[in-house]
Formats: sequence, structure tokens, C-alpha cells
Amino acid sequence: KQEVTQIPAALSVPEGENLVLNCSFTDSAIYNLQWFRQDPGKGLTSLLLIQSSQREQTSGRLNASLDKSSGRSTLYIAASQPGDSATYLCAVNFYNQGGKLIFGQGTELSVKP
Amino acid sequence: GAVVSQHPSWVICKSGTSVKIECRSLDFQATTMFWYRQFPKQSLMLMATSNEGSKATYEQGVEKDKFLINHASLTLSTLTVTSAHPEDSSFYICSAPTGGAWNSPLHFGNGTRLTVT
Repeated sequence: KQEVTQIPAALSVPEGENLVLNCSFTDSAIYNLQWFRQDPGKGLTSLLLIQSSQREQTSGRLNASLDKSSGRSTLYIAASQPGDSATYLCAVNFYNQGGKLIFGQGTELSVKP
Repeated sequence: GAVVSQHPSWVICKSGTSVKIECRSLDFQATTMFWYRQFPKQSLMLMATSNEGSKATYEQGVEKDKFLINHASLTLSTLTVTSAHPEDSSFYICSAPTGGAWNSPLHFGNGTRLTVT
């Protein structure tokens, strides 16, 4: 069964700290991997999309890496701010799944002022 | 950029009634749309794949007679929760790929918060 796992489930850091969120997946045969942000009671905001041929993607203070062979991705957030507080979801588009995304459980991030 | 519009954003209904949720692709065509459900403090779980002009494909454990999906056009898919019960209260969210390839990015609607009393 193709699964996506995120560790840790929750993370609390002081403002300004650099942090890493982890995502692992059970099958290296993927089309792409996407990181989302979800604020409480809200929908999803797409942060970064990494295609299977790419190693990393960057947007502002965010950097996502992909290591297909080991089934891992990381989301690096530099100089965290209280406004970064949200749940971060990793989702994988596996081969033979018809384009749908399989989501991890999410990491709930709290950045303290 | 590609936009997926979902309506309503929230709805409260009485137990036993039916509720329809709409998902529209505003500036692109989508032959496929995906419906997800999210319970509080949990991740998104795929319910079904909506296919334009044909029957939806449901994930294991999802009752197709309870969650009716209609994908009548290339820009609209609807999810109807029939005979809703309090345990159907959840956050429902749709998504659509912006391209025809399997690796096309998925864009998500803003979700519908359903509360069944």
C-alpha cells in the first residue's frame, strides 16, 4: 500500500529559528510531491511542487527537497515567523494512482513570538 | 493562475436531509476531479474520483449511494451527501488537475464545512 508519513506531528519553535519538516513515502515511483499549508478551518495553499526529475524547489524562505530513492522529502523554513504557524501537509502523486494525491498526516507548526 | 471554486463554503443541515456541494474549474477544463474529506485534526482522505461523462470511482469504504457524484461538464463536479447524519459532519474539499498529464499540479477549492445537526 502506498503511504505518506510526516514527522513530527507537531512542532513548536521560537521566532527566527530555522526548521525542517519531514515527509517519507513508501514507493519511489512517483510523478511529483507537493507541500501545502493549511490554516485552521481553511482550505489548502500550495507551497511547492517538486516533479520526480527535480531535486529541490525554492520559494522565498521555503525550500523543499526530494530524494526519490530513499522516499524522503524535507521542507526547510528559514527564519520562521509567527505567521508561519499552520499545518503543513505533504502529498504524493504516485504512479498508477490516476493523478490523485495521497496525503501525509501533517505537521502542526507553532512559531512563538 | 488556475482557480477551483467550491460552493458553499459552509452549510448546516438537519439529519436526514441531502446537501449538494459544487466544485468548478473557473479557467480550465477538468475531465477529472477529486473529492477529499477531512475530519478535525486529521489529514485529507480521498473519497472518490469524479470523471466527466462517466461514473465516479470510489475509494474503499466510501458508500457510493450515500455520496453521489455527478461530473456533468468539463468544469463542474457535484457531491451530494444524501440522508446526512451527524457523523457526516466534516470538511469536504475538491481538487482538479490543470493539465491532462498524470503529473499535472492539482489545484484545490477552499472546501465546504458541513455540519449535520
